Amino acid sequence: DSGVTQTPKHLITATGQRVTLRCSPRSGDLSVYWYQQSLDQGLQFLIQYYNGEERAKGNILERFSAQQFPDLHSELNLSSLELGDSALYFCASSAPGSEKLFFGSGTQLSVL
Amino acid sequence: DQQVKQNSPSLSVQEGRISILNCDYTNSMFDYFLWYKKYPAEGPTFLISISSIKDKNEDGRFTVFLNKSAKHLSLHIVPSQPGDSAVYFCAASSTGGEKLTFGTGTRLTIIP
Repeated sequence: DSGVTQTPKHLITATGQRVTLRCSPRSGDLSVYWYQQSLDQGLQFLIQYYNGEERAKGNILERFSAQQFPDLHSELNLSSLELGDSALYFCASSAPGSEKLFFGSGTQLSVL
Repeated sequence: DQQVKQNSPSLSVQEGRISILNCDYTNSMFDYFLWYKKYPAEGPTFLISISSIKDKNEDGRFTVFLNKSAKHLSLHIVPSQPGDSAVYFCAASSTGGEKLTFGTGTRLTIIP
């Protein structure tokens, strides 16, 4: 158990809909990262938050947004969903100054 | 632009033999490298890392080698065990940047 909690584990929705993925980092970790893993693809970095502030942005679509709340949990919002958004979405957290990420078990999103 | 590349999507190795997984990178700013292991339905878990000031790091059956001039690293697993069957991701980061850039992964299968 990495200590990072992601909910829900599975999500099935239709095109055009909006969903919210939730992540609780390990106790004491201030950074939260979101990664997307599509079929046969590596882990694509989406966005990083540090103590409530956006720290780095990767290949995140404009239809996607994220935030980190004062209790340090994070949410990834995906809107106007398309078939191609079907993927495994991972959240990870890290301690301050550490490059070692601890990953949650992911949310499998299926857009039908 | 894939800055971290794992050119072998899959690898099969006999139990007890050595498994060698390879990774190449293009960004000369990368100075910290990690290997993650991923089982189905789980998030990636940290395996071993190496800083660019070293060319080798060992942890039990796992050794990572770094060749900075060739921008190449490899993970050696000796002896390979059935429980090592998983997808292995190579990742890299640069000083001051906490986010990791991942390769596409290599699926290792250990044959009993």
